Amino acid sequence: ETGVTQTPRHLVMGMTNKKSLKCEQHLGHNAMYWYKQSAKKPLELMFVYNFKEQTENNSVPSRFSPECPNSSHLFLHLHTLQPEDSALYLCASSLTGTGGGGYTFGSGTRLTIV
Amino acid sequence: QKEVEQDPGPLSVPEGAIVSLNCTYSNSAFQYFMWYRQYSRKGPELLMYTYSSGNKEDGRFTAQVDKSSKYISLFIRDSQPSDSATYLCAVLKAAGNKLTFGGGTRVLVKP
Repeated sequence: ETGVTQTPRHLVMGMTNKKSLKCEQHLGHNAMYWYKQSAKKPLELMFVYNFKEQTENNSVPSRFSPECPNSSHLFLHLHTLQPEDSALYLCASSLTGTGGGGYTFGSGTRLTIV
Repeated sequence: QKEVEQDPGPLSVPEGAIVSLNCTYSNSAFQYFMWYRQYSRKGPELLMYTYSSGNKEDGRFTAQVDKSSKYISLFIRDSQPSDSATYLCAVLKAAGNKLTFGGGTRVLVKP
């Protein structure tokens, strides 16, 4: 399998549940990202990992907890979320320090909080 | 002021027309410029990536950057219904790997 794979594709959870989103990349990239995409809003950067070390937390509430065990895998652990957290969560990867070359995105996890 | 401004559209054109999209950005520190295409229920995919001012062409797509005006454009020639999607511009500073996105323009190409 190639590219960036995200699971699950869809997730419905209650506000008191705990769940995790998974992202895996097979591109040999060393930077990974979580973005949130809400309706009618630009993509919002949440977290950046370079060589599995967190280098950016964009003031994300603590109910979102990222984990990066290695350069190929990224998780987003969710607990006690709010209805406004319903959105498309996108994972991306890139080569660090290249000035771009662009990100490769996964297809996202559509999260609905009920 | 948003760092990257993009008209949300929707932009509706007939098949075969030229689609013209643009973004403005506020910070001259942005040195890399990208266009992504996002189909419904999919993640964004990289279409064009440019560094310097000027034009870059790839098939039916042309990206244009004017750093003096902080203005970037994407043109799609001979548009097809399969080009119907949301197009996102993105900018990047030279010393970082953190992309900043515009809000996206929804494009509809009618047969």
